[in-house]
Amino acid sequence: GDSVTQMEGPVTLSEEAFLTINCTYTATGYPSLFWYVQYPGEGLQLLLKATKADDKGSNKGFEATYRKETTSFHLEKGSVQVSDSAVYFCALTDNAGNNRKLIWGLGTSLAVNP
Amino acid sequence: DTEVTQTPKHLVMGMTNKKSLKCEQHMGHRAMYWYKQKAKKPPELMFVYSYEKLSINESVPSRFSPECPNSSLLNLHLHALQPEDSALYLCASSPDRGRSNDEQYFGPGTRLTVT
Repeated sequence: GDSVTQMEGPVTLSEEAFLTINCTYTATGYPSLFWYVQYPGEGLQLLLKATKADDKGSNKGFEATYRKETTSFHLEKGSVQVSDSAVYFCALTDNAGNNRKLIWGLGTSLAVNP
Repeated sequence: DTEVTQTPKHLVMGMTNKKSLKCEQHMGHRAMYWYKQKAKKPPELMFVYSYEKLSINESVPSRFSPECPNSSLLNLHLHALQPEDSALYLCASSPDRGRSNDEQYFGPGTRLTVT
């Protein structure tokens, strides 16, 4: 079945450092890909999405490019802030299957120190 | 308005109590979801309503009973819960355009503790 694999955390960075959180997927169809963020004590927020190969999603300084050849959707940010400390989830929905179900990665916890 | 609201924010209940969680959205979305999330884990899908009809039940125990009174409202009725049911319960909604790029919008969740 479809699956999402994220790099294990926790990731600890200093403010203004470069961030990469790796995400790879397996899917039988042509999935749409998402990054969600969960700040401490809150629900999940959609951070960005991409729906086809080579699409780049971007929001709040975060970017991720849908790479079909490497089945990846890595999240990047050029300069992190303390306020970016959160858990980041990579997810997909399968175009060929039940598109109401999100397949989730296990999440990557990010801590940014001042 | 891209907001999904949930009440209550926190709930403590005994194993013999009956309580309900409520969720509301005013984005015109036609699909609504209940998820359960344990600490430091991804959310687990429980139920999906599409156009006010239950379309997915992920083999959830009958002590959880969903209800969709109209396209904007979603309830989760709780009865005879177990301590292991303590978790963050998240509601979400999506346009349900029948396309895989339909993003889901989540509420802030209800933190449930079963004593």
